[in-house]
Amino acid sequence: NAGVTQTPKFQVLKTGQSMTLQCAQDMNHEYMSWYRQDPGMGLRLIHYSVGAGITDQGEVPNGYNVSRSTTEDFPLRLLSAAPSQTSVYFCASSRTSGDYNEQFFGPGTRLTVL
Amino acid sequence: AQSVTQLDSHVSVSEGTPVLLRCNYSSSYSPSLFWYVQHPNKGLQLLLKYTSAATLVKGINGFEAEFKKSETSFHLTKPSAHMSDAAEYFCVVSFMDTGRRALTFGSGTRLQVQP
Repeated sequence: NAGVTQTPKFQVLKTGQSMTLQCAQDMNHEYMSWYRQDPGMGLRLIHYSVGAGITDQGEVPNGYNVSRSTTEDFPLRLLSAAPSQTSVYFCASSRTSGDYNEQFFGPGTRLTVL
Repeated sequence: AQSVTQLDSHVSVSEGTPVLLRCNYSSSYSPSLFWYVQHPNKGLQLLLKYTSAATLVKGINGFEAEFKKSETSFHLTKPSAHMSDAAEYFCVVSFMDTGRRALTFGSGTRLQVQP
């Protein structure tokens, strides 16, 4: 099992450029989510998905789009990058069954927007 | 609404001495509680979880945490710090909300271990 994988590890963009952060998991988890991590603020939820074809907004969705065409993949798109989107992005996945909520995190993508 | 407060942004201990990282939470629901660790430039690793079974929870690498409902606390402890414990630690509260697996993170505590 590779677990949750993310690409790229690092990325530098200019303001206004677009890009897609990739996330994949091989644990057959129904639930996937994207977080951003900023200094002193912990992680904040951007978007999440409870299964293929179903996505919804989290706490800080503005400037980001997602889609979920397969169980394995959950890409995050920045349509027009802004310096405020400079952050470390984590993808996570979990089952939807069970009485608790353990999420498995990818290694992160460090994004800088100039 | 739910929230998590980690009372110390930085904690420094000497190798071999006890570690205490403090966390208080508020939640309208019966919470699940977690501690995650993040080593420099790495992802997050689950240390331990509380899911309404035993109130004293043992995790990996000798860490444990005690759920105290009356104090709404979930402090993380370790009897003897090791240099490899230097990292950032996040207390997390979670509940299920109409399919959304809402995780609320504390702001983190950076643990330094001095030789």
